[in-house]
Amino acid sequence: KAGVTQTPRYLIKTRGQQVTLSCSPISGHRSVSWYQQTPGQGLQFLFEYFSETQRNKGNFPGRFSGRQFSNSRSEMNVSTLELGDSALYLCASSIGPRGVGQPQHFGDGTRLSIL
Amino acid sequence: QKEVEQNSGPLSVPEGAIASLNCTYSDRGSQSFFWYRQYSGKSPELIMFIYSNGDKEDGRFTAQLNKASQYVSLLIRDSQPSDSATYLCAGRGTGGGADGLTFGKGTHLIIQP
Repeated sequence: KAGVTQTPRYLIKTRGQQVTLSCSPISGHRSVSWYQQTPGQGLQFLFEYFSETQRNKGNFPGRFSGRQFSNSRSEMNVSTLELGDSALYLCASSIGPRGVGQPQHFGDGTRLSIL
Repeated sequence: QKEVEQNSGPLSVPEGAIASLNCTYSDRGSQSFFWYRQYSGKSPELIMFIYSNGDKEDGRFTAQLNKASQYVSLLIRDSQPSDSATYLCAGRGTGGGADGLTFGKGTHLIIQP
């Protein structure tokens, strides 16, 4: 069974640009969550999508947005990039958004570097 | 503010010994807990999850949950050098709002051959 697929693996952008990251969940998984990982802050929750609807959102500015398509694939967009947005962006999928013991499985991530 | 606390380490354990990793959480609403292993430069890999008080065993791994003390632990028996990694503890509630996984900063585990 294929795992969570994230593209691209690496991205280099400059301040002020915008970027779109893509995530394909494990087959049969309908919930997709996005996380940002930095050395200083660790793994932080961005948002979660289920059935094309954002169900939860973390404490990130509105420059961070996302969407989910009918096939459960998800995209994350960051506009007006800042140096502090340099991070590993991880996508995780699970069967559903809630319920006790719903494990999330992570993709390999997209490493975003802002110059 | 939901918080998950872990000792950053490094925790050094001889090969073949038991490695004990601990985690405390602040949100009493957290219902389920997850342990992930992350090798340097890689993404987190799910090791175990637990949502009932007590112990849960899977091979060399045992997760323990004590909701009264808001404490989660992971035991690794017969530690191997390949277990050397950062172990992330995460909690998740079932309420509304910002309810994604809340991660600790991770414990760096070193298994000494």
